[in-house]
Amino acid sequence: DAGVIQSPRHEVTEMGQEVTLRCKPISGHDYLFWYRQTMMRGLELLIYFNNNVPIDDSGMPEDRFSAKMPNASFSTLKIQPSEPRDSAVYFCASSLGDIGSPLHFGNGTRLTVT
Amino acid sequence: RKEVEQDPGPFNVPEGATVAFNCTYSNSASQSFFWYRQDCRKEPKLLMSVYSSGNEDGRFTAQLNRASQYISLLIRDSKLSDSATYLCAVNPSTSGTYKYIFGTGTRLKVLA
Repeated sequence: DAGVIQSPRHEVTEMGQEVTLRCKPISGHDYLFWYRQTMMRGLELLIYFNNNVPIDDSGMPEDRFSAKMPNASFSTLKIQPSEPRDSAVYFCASSLGDIGSPLHFGNGTRLTVT
Repeated sequence: RKEVEQDPGPFNVPEGATVAFNCTYSNSASQSFFWYRQDCRKEPKLLMSVYSSGNEDGRFTAQLNRASQYISLLIRDSKLSDSATYLCAVNPSTSGTYKYIFGTGTRLKVLA
């Protein structure tokens, strides 16, 4: 079975540009999570969805960040406008939804904003 | 206080050594605990879940201490291939929340 699929793997953009990251969760997983990882702050939870509905977006840094999940097999994380401090690795993960179910991560998108 | 804390290391150990990491968590109501392994420039991968009674998977042993609010990971007979960053993850699971909080990771270097 395919794992969590993210695209693109790498994104280099200029400050002020819009960036869209994409994620396809594992089929049958009801929960989808977006994390950001930096050396300074580690893995930070940005937002998570249950059955396509955003449940907790308290980790979203500011209004420049938005996330959607239009259906069970697709989610996007958008940054508009992007800033150099947004440079990080963005991971998408999914989970079955039972209390003891672990997260399964995608390969990540390495974002560089110049 | 951070919700989940780990010693960043690095822990430099010789091959064959036994090494242990701890991870403390602040929410006493936390229900689920996991250890992940992350190689350089890769995604975190599940190493093992942590059960209340403790559990073992080959050379790896995970334990939960609810009274002191920490989990531990013991690696016996370390291999060069065990060199990685080990992340703990905690699911606070309070009032229907369902989010995994990660520690910043502990770096392990196994030396030949």
